[in-house]
Amino acid sequence: NAGVTQTPKFQVLKTGQSMTLQCAQDMNHEYMSWYRQDPGMGLRLIHYSVGAGITDQGEVPNGYNVSRSTTEDFPLRLLSAAPSQTSVYFCASSYSPSGYNEQFFGPGTRLTVL
Amino acid sequence: SQQGEEDPQALSIQEGENATMNCSYKTSINNLQWYRQNSGRGLVHLILIRSNEREKHSGRLRVTLDTSKKSSSLLITASRAADTASYFCATAGGNTGFQKLVFGTGTRLLVSP
Repeated sequence: NAGVTQTPKFQVLKTGQSMTLQCAQDMNHEYMSWYRQDPGMGLRLIHYSVGAGITDQGEVPNGYNVSRSTTEDFPLRLLSAAPSQTSVYFCASSYSPSGYNEQFFGPGTRLTVL
Repeated sequence: SQQGEEDPQALSIQEGENATMNCSYKTSINNLQWYRQNSGRGLVHLILIRSNEREKHSGRLRVTLDTSKKSSSLLITASRAADTASYFCATAGGNTGFQKLVFGTGTRLLVSP
């Protein structure tokens, strides 16, 4: 199993550009989520999904969109990048739809917005 | 908003010593989890303790949970240089909200040879 994979590993954007961060898992997990990690802070939940076709907002959803058309993929879209979105983004998945149990994390995408 | 606060923010010890880090949280929970993050990498799950459990062991890890004080501690015994990482607690359920893990700010552990 590859586990949770994320692409790209690094990305530099200019303010106003849009892009999609990719996330895929091959463990047939129902629950997937996106977090951002900023210096000196823990991870903050952006959006999550409890199954294909079902998504919901987390703590910091503004400026981001998600969709879940398949169990395997959960892309995160930045609509119009802002410097405040400079961060490291992690995707995670869990076999439990509740998200209560162990979460498996991808290696992260380091995003810089100029 | 952060649910968990880890203490200390940073900890530096020698190989062979024990490392203890603490986590305090604000609301009722279903369970509390500890994760490790090596520099530049994703988080790795270490251990989960449910709200009705008081202590749990996994290898060199010992976790305690005191729901009356809303606090947890992670003890790593006989530390190794490879234990150098950041450690995060995360709470699930209860008033943190269904289907969400809420992470603390982390403890940076440095284990010197």
